[in-house]
Amino acid sequence: DQQVKQNSPSLSVQEGRISILNCDYTNSMFDYFLWYKKYPAEGPTFLISISSIKDKNEDGRFTVFLNKSAKHLSLHIVPSQPGDSAVYFCSGGGADGLTFGKGTHLIIQP
Amino acid sequence: DTGVSQDPRHKITKRGQNVTFRCDPISEHNRLYWYRQTLGQGPEFLTYFQNEAQLEKSRLLSDRFSAERPKGSFSTLEIQRTEQGDSAMYLCASSFEGIPDGYTFGSGTRLTVV
Repeated sequence: DQQVKQNSPSLSVQEGRISILNCDYTNSMFDYFLWYKKYPAEGPTFLISISSIKDKNEDGRFTVFLNKSAKHLSLHIVPSQPGDSAVYFCSGGGADGLTFGKGTHLIIQP
Repeated sequence: DTGVSQDPRHKITKRGQNVTFRCDPISEHNRLYWYRQTLGQGPEFLTYFQNEAQLEKSRLLSDRFSAERPKGSFSTLEIQRTEQGDSAMYLCASSFEGIPDGYTFGSGTRLTVV
């Protein structure tokens, strides 16, 4: 039972363009949704979050959108930069822990 | 504070041996989480502590696994009688009062069981 699904294992985007990473979830009890970024041989690094009562949160080049009726969220990165190349994990949960998707490998092409 | 520290970074062990990993969280964080990540998967929740109390354990945490946080500071995760299926990255994270934005992960311990 996969409660958080990231259906695109990889995504290639040209530098300077918008990157859109998608995530679907099934658990309506999640209080928060968080995006993490992971480089090889490092632990996940927190990127941005959104409360389940919000529909948008923005932080610099990163914006997360939440559509509760569709149980879908997306992460927009604009403009995309070479340093954004990493694996991005979508997660949902709260204080008791997070449930992660399998990740999307974002590749920024020069 | 240098963040969440995990030791060792890598561990190779023979099947059947016991291994122990250590996690030092951010000092002011009272919650500590253990996750496991295998190739091609996202991190999977194992267990978490609030101070020294272990509040939740995943069904992934079989009887061979035990975690402790004796003084509410560092934590250890022990795996007894290791199996090849235990090979994974073991990640520790900490947070203050479970505030989701504050989940800070360590770099992990990569376990290889041969």
